[in-house]
Amino acid sequence: AQSVSQHNHHVILSEAASLELGCNYSYGGTVNLFWYVQYPGQHLQLLLKYFSGDPLVKGIKGFEAEFIKSKFSFNLRKPSVQWSDTAEYFCAVMGNNAGNMLTFGGGTRLMVKP
Amino acid sequence: EAGVAQSPRYKIIEKRQSVAFWCNPISGHATLYWYQQILGQGPKLLIQFQNNGVVDDSQLPKDRFSAERLKGVDSTLKIQPAKLEDSAVYLCASSWDGPTGRNFGPGTRLTVL
Repeated sequence: AQSVSQHNHHVILSEAASLELGCNYSYGGTVNLFWYVQYPGQHLQLLLKYFSGDPLVKGIKGFEAEFIKSKFSFNLRKPSVQWSDTAEYFCAVMGNNAGNMLTFGGGTRLMVKP
Repeated sequence: EAGVAQSPRYKIIEKRQSVAFWCNPISGHATLYWYQQILGQGPKLLIQFQNNGVVDDSQLPKDRFSAERLKGVDSTLKIQPAKLEDSAVYLCASSWDGPTGRNFGPGTRLTVL
């Protein structure tokens, strides 16, 4: 079975601070990895995804994530956050032999203070 | 392209009542999913359809939840009877075939009193 762990439940940053949200997955095979964002009052949107190739993936709005296979991690980063990045962020894993099942982590709620 | 549509957006019912949610996926998306998102948790898959057939319903509480996808397009999710612990946001999502991300709808926030 596949699972995802997001260690930080709540993060508070000031504008211009750097961001790194942790994501670790558990699955005994090849994976596809995703980060979704949910802005207040809006639906879940895809930020970025990793399927194969370059382990450093760039997404929308200046976000990036790095897949480190040896650490089973897919941490999300942004060098300088803005107030508009206030949202909840979800990491998700899809094992290649898991029947297209997408399993989400518990989410990290980010608040950026202006 | 138009996104995934869901209705209603909000629903308040008393326990033991019934409720139904509707979803219209993105045109051409063969796969449709229903997720349950309890406050403070990530979405949990309830059921997955491929066209109008069920692919995975292993986490659907079948004693009270049911879902159907008529003609491989729209879908309805029903809860009968509702319990307090069913209070959550019910998300519908759709995708193309294969290992790909999901397009999510706005969700239906259900409150069971």
